[in-house]
Amino acid sequence: DAKTTQPNSMESNEEEPVHLPCNHSTISGTDYIHWYRQLPSQGPEYVIHGLTSNVNNRMASLAIAEDRKSSTLILHRATLRDAAVYYCILRGPGANNLFFGTGTRLTVIP
Amino acid sequence: DTEVTQTPKHLVMGMTNKKSLKCEQHMGHRAMYWYKQKAKKPPELMFVYSYEKLSINESVPSRFSPECPNSSLLNLHLHALQPEDSALYLCASSPGFGRGPSNQPQHFGDGTRLSIL
Repeated sequence: DAKTTQPNSMESNEEEPVHLPCNHSTISGTDYIHWYRQLPSQGPEYVIHGLTSNVNNRMASLAIAEDRKSSTLILHRATLRDAAVYYCILRGPGANNLFFGTGTRLTVIP
Repeated sequence: DTEVTQTPKHLVMGMTNKKSLKCEQHMGHRAMYWYKQKAKKPPELMFVYSYEKLSINESVPSRFSPECPNSSLLNLHLHALQPEDSALYLCASSPGFGRGPSNQPQHFGDGTRLSIL
């Protein structure tokens, strides 16, 4: 599986947008980009995924660079409940498991 | 509330004990997973079951023995564990293979926190 690189930690003020970056320069054309987050004392939670086009859902938006070598998870308005570790994961065709990297720990400041 | 239920939430056991972790889902998913997560580390895959058959074993020691009695249940039997096996054990499920697995989110339980004395 191709590798992803994320900053170890980020901070955001409450009610402001948050942009969480992920680099994946060795991504292949068939790899999906998945984002999960893990709140304290909980299991990982699916956030969003995409292949080539930008994606939006009720939780977040995913912006994918045109060359697909990087992506950005966008939380439009951070709340205290969004404080978590965010994982960017690439999944190839037929991949039946998730390889978690070290992720980004997001701190939301009231 | 999570749709994947794991019991117990906490477990303390001695190195000579035998215990089991249980995982249940009623979403009709046909793929189920066990992950291990050490403190402040990302989850690591242990086992994958597809249609009740073991499809992946990530070189896990034999003191961990998985079992999938039916499509809704997944067990992890523990025997003669070591202190370094203390961790959070996570169960997950997804719809199943043959339907574009790389496009399918996994649903996780909140885990069993295991401590080995």
